[in-house]
Amino acid sequence: GAVVSQHPSWVICKSGTSVKIECRSLDFQATTMFWYRQFPKQSLMLMATSNEGSKATYEQGVEKDKFLINHASLTLSTLTVTSAHPEDSSFYICSASKGDQPQHFGDGTRLSIL
Amino acid sequence: GQQLNQSPQSMFIQEGEDVSMNCTSSSIFNTWLWYKQDPGEGPVLLIALYKAGELTSNGRLTAQFGITRKDSFLNISASIPSDVGIYFCAGQTVQSNTGKLIFGQGTTLQVKP
Repeated sequence: GAVVSQHPSWVICKSGTSVKIECRSLDFQATTMFWYRQFPKQSLMLMATSNEGSKATYEQGVEKDKFLINHASLTLSTLTVTSAHPEDSSFYICSASKGDQPQHFGDGTRLSIL
Repeated sequence: GQQLNQSPQSMFIQEGEDVSMNCTSSSIFNTWLWYKQDPGEGPVLLIALYKAGELTSNGRLTAQFGITRKDSFLNISASIPSDVGIYFCAGQTVQSNTGKLIFGQGTTLQVKP
């Protein structure tokens, strides 16, 4: 149980384009979804916390207009990196939790901006 | 801000050896979690701890929630090559009502066959 699917797993695109990443909880309804960013050899850095039907709460220093989060249902949240630039290249990981249950993570999306 | 100090940063051990890693903080936590991350993948939950003093096992893995609620350790017994990866502790503070986790810096484990 507790499977979280993230798509795509890898994306390469040109500078200036927008990229959408999907996060789905496959076998449970996630009351909360989280989006993280991870640089090589570093820990996970929380970007934002998202609850279904409400606006996401962004961590300090994360631009909400740059990283658009939509949590339209209890099983789907999306992160859109708008007008992506090379410095946005990173490993983006989502997680989902139900109530007080632990967070379960997707397999991440490797984003490379040329 | 709140931080988790995880140690050691890396370990290189022989297959069959036992491994121990820990996390400490100046803050009080009501939940401690241990995750393992393989290269290019997301973290996978290993053990969840919810009560001070709690000792929980998952196969060859054992983790404990410190009595002071400010620390936790993870032990791996009789290590095997597939134990290789990065282990992260994560905690939820008593102040958090959003499920937000604070992560340690990770312990990279390498096992020599």
